[in-house]
Amino acid sequence: AQSVAQPEDQVNVAEGNPLTVKCTYSVSGNPYLFWYVQYPNRGLQFLLKYITGDNLVKGSYGFEAEFNKSQTSFHLKKPSALVSDSALYFCAVRPQPGNTPLVFGKGTRLSVIA
Amino acid sequence: DGGITQSPKYLFRKEGQNVTLSCEQNLNHDAMYWYRQDPGQGLRLIYYSQIVNDFQKGDIAEGYSVSREKKESFPLTVTSAQKNPTAFYLCASSISGRTATDTQYFGPGTRLTVL
Repeated sequence: AQSVAQPEDQVNVAEGNPLTVKCTYSVSGNPYLFWYVQYPNRGLQFLLKYITGDNLVKGSYGFEAEFNKSQTSFHLKKPSALVSDSALYFCAVRPQPGNTPLVFGKGTRLSVIA
Repeated sequence: DGGITQSPKYLFRKEGQNVTLSCEQNLNHDAMYWYRQDPGQGLRLIYYSQIVNDFQKGDIAEGYSVSREKKESFPLTVTSAQKNPTAFYLCASSISGRTATDTQYFGPGTRLTVL
């Protein structure tokens, strides 16, 4: 079965420090991977996606993610965290082929401390 | 949240009642989706529709029903058969029902509470 795992329920980081939110995936074939962010009582906002090509994907709000095929990972990163980055982050995968719905991880809550 | 609207934002239901959640999009997207979000469980797929007048069950369809009579609308009915309906419900859409690279865009959600 196609799946994603977010091994950390909670990540705490000091403002100004780099942040990493981890995601690993399990799919047959090549994956299409996505990151979303959710603020309290809001819908999910799209951050970035990996389709093919460069393993480093740049997205919204200064976030980037690195695709690593050998480690089946797609970790979300930001060089310098802001307090306003505090939110719930979801990794998702779309198994090939076709436009089947995204399969989401359970989410990681990021807290950036001033 | 873009061009996807969900109403109402908060909904209260008595046990044994059916209730319908609205989802409308003005993005001209072919595909629409309903997810349920519970704390610590991520998003779970209820139903999805890749084209008008067609829809498929997701992982947790029991106790729910949908219709897709118009491209821009995909209402979700939570029936009395759904044993634990209290949750945050999210509607999403994507451009095509056929392209794997398409991004899903989400509405602001409806929080349903059963009293």
